[in-house]
Amino acid sequence: NAGVTQTPKFRVLKTGQSMTLLCAQDMNHEYMYWYRQDPGMGLRLIHYSVGEGTTAKGEVPDGYNVSRLKKQNFLLGLESAAPSQTSVYFCASIMVAGAGELFFGEGSRLTVL
Amino acid sequence: RKEVEQDPGPFNVPEGATVAFNCTYSNSASQSFFWYRQDCRKEPKLLMSVYSSGNEDGRFTAQLNRASQYISLLIRDSKLSDSATYLCVVTTGGYNKLIFGAGTRLAVHP
Repeated sequence: NAGVTQTPKFRVLKTGQSMTLLCAQDMNHEYMYWYRQDPGMGLRLIHYSVGEGTTAKGEVPDGYNVSRLKKQNFLLGLESAAPSQTSVYFCASIMVAGAGELFFGEGSRLTVL
Repeated sequence: RKEVEQDPGPFNVPEGATVAFNCTYSNSASQSFFWYRQDCRKEPKLLMSVYSSGNEDGRFTAQLNRASQYISLLIRDSKLSDSATYLCVVTTGGYNKLIFGAGTRLAVHP
């Protein structure tokens, strides 16, 4: 009964380092999203995917790349981390047909020094 | 102007009080509307969808006003466990684009 799983849950990076956040869902959902949440800013959409092999830019895509090679996985990459990317990252998924509830992972807290 | 705007609060209310939050959205083509609840340092979770005719779920009532482009959430008989941040979510273009408000914080005290 996993739902949406994010790894890692915590990470500290130095400026310029790269890393990848993994989001995995076991609900056969078509749509997947990556958001970042900063104090007072709410959740802002970074990138999203409407199905396997597709990705699209959201509201704040700069500095991030994504891939959806398998339907169940959505990866978020930081090629050269910057302190401005210190945030809490949430992955979410939804089954389009019938829509309804957006399922979130527990979040990944990233600190860039 | 932000696409979805909420009063950040905090709303500090005693147990048993009735409290209402509003959320305004700028895109008249917005199609679906939701209220999510987020506890401190946790992921958001769906509280309720908002339908054109208004809908109720126990102590919670949601309303949509398309003409004025806002949605509302009314909580009756507030409980301590209602303390959380309430996020307004608006969708456009199907589910390609879900836009979150920054949230309204509610603190219920004894």
